Amino acid sequence: GAVVSQHPSRVICKSGTSVKIECRSLDFQATTMFWYRQFPKKSLMLMATSNEGSKATYEQGVEKDKFLINHASLTLSTLTVTSAHPEDSSFYICSARDLTRETGNEQFFGPGTRLTVL
Amino acid sequence: GENVEQHPSTLSVQEGDSAVIKCTYSDSASNYFPWYKQELGKRPQLIIDIRSNVGEKKDQRIAVTLNKTAKHFSLHITETQPEDSAVYFCAATVGGGGADGLTFGKGTHLIIQP
Repeated sequence: GAVVSQHPSRVICKSGTSVKIECRSLDFQATTMFWYRQFPKKSLMLMATSNEGSKATYEQGVEKDKFLINHASLTLSTLTVTSAHPEDSSFYICSARDLTRETGNEQFFGPGTRLTVL
Repeated sequence: GENVEQHPSTLSVQEGDSAVIKCTYSDSASNYFPWYKQELGKRPQLIIDIRSNVGEKKDQRIAVTLNKTAKHFSLHITETQPEDSAVYFCAATVGGGGADGLTFGKGTHLIIQP
C-alpha cells in the first residue's frame, strides 16, 4: 500500500516551453502533497505544499508564477514548470502522506521526474 | 524555518564495521525525524524514523537515537554490507497531522569498502 506515482519519469524540452508533471497517490487519498527539487549530488529541497481544493503554499524563494501547482483531486497534484530554462533542469520528486495509517507522519515518495531543459 | 545540518558528507567504512551519521536541527517544534536511503536516480527510501517522544529506535542492523535537549539525532548502521553503500539523508518536520514538508540534511555518501 501507499504507492505514489509520477509521470513522466523523464522529459527533455526546449527553453521557453512549459512542462507538466503529475503526481498520483494510487491507493490512498492525499489532502496534502509535497513537491521537492533535487539538483545533481545535492539534497532534496521542499518547493511547495500542495493542498487539495486550495492554493499551494510555496517555500521562500520559489516563484509561484513559475511553478504552478494544482491539486484538483484527492489523488492528483500537478506541477507545471512554465517558460522553462536550463537552470530549471533538475530531479523533481513529489510525496504524500496517508493520514489513515498508523504511521501517518511517513511521507511516500514518487519515483521522480528528470527534467532537462535544452 | 527549520535548518538541518548533517555530518559527515562522506563516510567510508570497512565491510562489517559500524557507520554513524549525525544530524542537528534548529526548530524545537519538530517532532518527526526520518532517515532515507537514496540510490542514484531513485526515490528516497525510508529506512527508519523516530518521533520526539522516543529516545531510541532499532530495526535489525539500523538504529536511530534522538536527543531532544541537544536537538540532534543519529543513524547507526552495524555490520555494514556492500549493499548499504548509498546516500543517506536525515530530515525533520512537525508531524502529528500537520501539513509541513520535510527539511532535509545535505546527505552523507556512505561507502562500504570490501
